[in-house]
Amino acid sequence: KQEVTQIPAALSVPEGENLVLNCSFTDSAIYNLQWFRQDPGKGLTSLLLIQSSQREQTSGRLNASLDKSSGRSTLYIAASQPGDSATYLCAVLTYKYIFGTGTRLKVLA
Amino acid sequence: GAGVSQTPSNKVTEKGKYVELRCDPISGHTALYWYRQSLGQGPEFLIYFQGTGAADDSGLPNDRFFAVRPEGSVSTLKIQRTERGDSAVYLCASSFQRSSETQYFGPGTRLLVL
Repeated sequence: KQEVTQIPAALSVPEGENLVLNCSFTDSAIYNLQWFRQDPGKGLTSLLLIQSSQREQTSGRLNASLDKSSGRSTLYIAASQPGDSATYLCAVLTYKYIFGTGTRLKVLA
Repeated sequence: GAGVSQTPSNKVTEKGKYVELRCDPISGHTALYWYRQSLGQGPEFLIYFQGTGAADDSGLPNDRFFAVRPEGSVSTLKIQRTERGDSAVYLCASSFQRSSETQYFGPGTRLLVL
């Protein structure tokens, strides 16, 4: 059974810091892995999607990597800003998405 | 083009009532999914449609929950005899054809059962 774990559960950092969010999964048979952002009371915003054949994807200050063999993905956020404060969810696609419980990020001004 | 839309955006009901939640997928998408997100948790899979038929309904929590997609586009999630524990955000997603393809999520319906 596929399980997705995200560490840490919560993170508070001062503005400007570079940070790494971790996601691990137990079964490497996935089609893709996607990182989402969720603001309080809002829906999911897709940040980055990595196909199973890819190793990483970049968008602006965000970089996500995927290592299927070890069942790990990281989301790197450079030069964090208060506007980055949100919950970040990773999800792996089998035929359905399996989500982690998220990392609640707070960037302090 | 238009994304996945869900109505209503918010629904407040009383314990024991019946509710229907609607999902309009992206035009041309044959696969449709329902997820439920409880407070502080990640979304959890409920049911997957391929066309008009439910390919996997293993995530439905009990027989009070039912979903239909009669014409292979719009889907309705139906909850009978609602309980306070049903309070959650119900998310719908669609993908073009196969279940191996990326899913696009709607904004969700926030259900509160009093």
